[in-house]
Amino acid sequence: AQRVTQPEKLLSVFKGAPVELKCNYSYSGSPELFWYVQYSRQRLQLLLRHISRESIKGFTADLNKGETSFHLKKPFAQEEDSAMYYCALIQRTGRRALTFGSGTRLQVQP
Amino acid sequence: NAGVTQTPKFQVLKTGQSMTLQCAQDMNHNSMYWYRQDPGMGLRLIYYSASEGTTDKGEVPNGYNVSRLNKREFSLRLESAAPSQTSVYFCASSAASGSSYEQYFGPGTRLTVT
Repeated sequence: AQRVTQPEKLLSVFKGAPVELKCNYSYSGSPELFWYVQYSRQRLQLLLRHISRESIKGFTADLNKGETSFHLKKPFAQEEDSAMYYCALIQRTGRRALTFGSGTRLQVQP
Repeated sequence: NAGVTQTPKFQVLKTGQSMTLQCAQDMNHNSMYWYRQDPGMGLRLIYYSASEGTTDKGEVPNGYNVSRLNKREFSLRLESAAPSQTSVYFCASSAASGSSYEQYFGPGTRLTVT
């Protein structure tokens, strides 16, 4: 069965510090990986996906198939990055529904 | 273009009561989903509908039923609410075609069962 693990419930950093939100997955095939973000009082929204290899709001994430990881990184955290971050995967065949990790709350202090 | 809308935003039920959560999307998406969000557990799939006329169970379907009324609407029904169903419920939709599997989420319904 597929599984997504986010080991940190809370990550607290100071503004300007680097950020790395960890995500590991287990899946027998070749999944698609995503990061979703939920700002306070807002709906869940897509931050980035591994297939597009893009940088959104300064965040990047590289899929490491050897380590089955998809960590989210940003070199310099901003206060507006404070939010709940969810790593998720979707299988390429069959049921096309997201499997989410438990989420990491990022708190960026001034 | 409202995206995904959900009603109600908040609801308090007594144990044993029933209710239906409504979801609609105006993006002409084929697939729709219901998730529940609980602290420390992320979002878990309750039911999904790959296309109009089809529904399938997700990870935590017990105690729920769904109806894909048409392409736009996907409702979630609690027949006999239990305190364990206290949660935030999110509906989502996706085109689910080609390379686009991005899911768009509604604002959520916060349900408390006493």
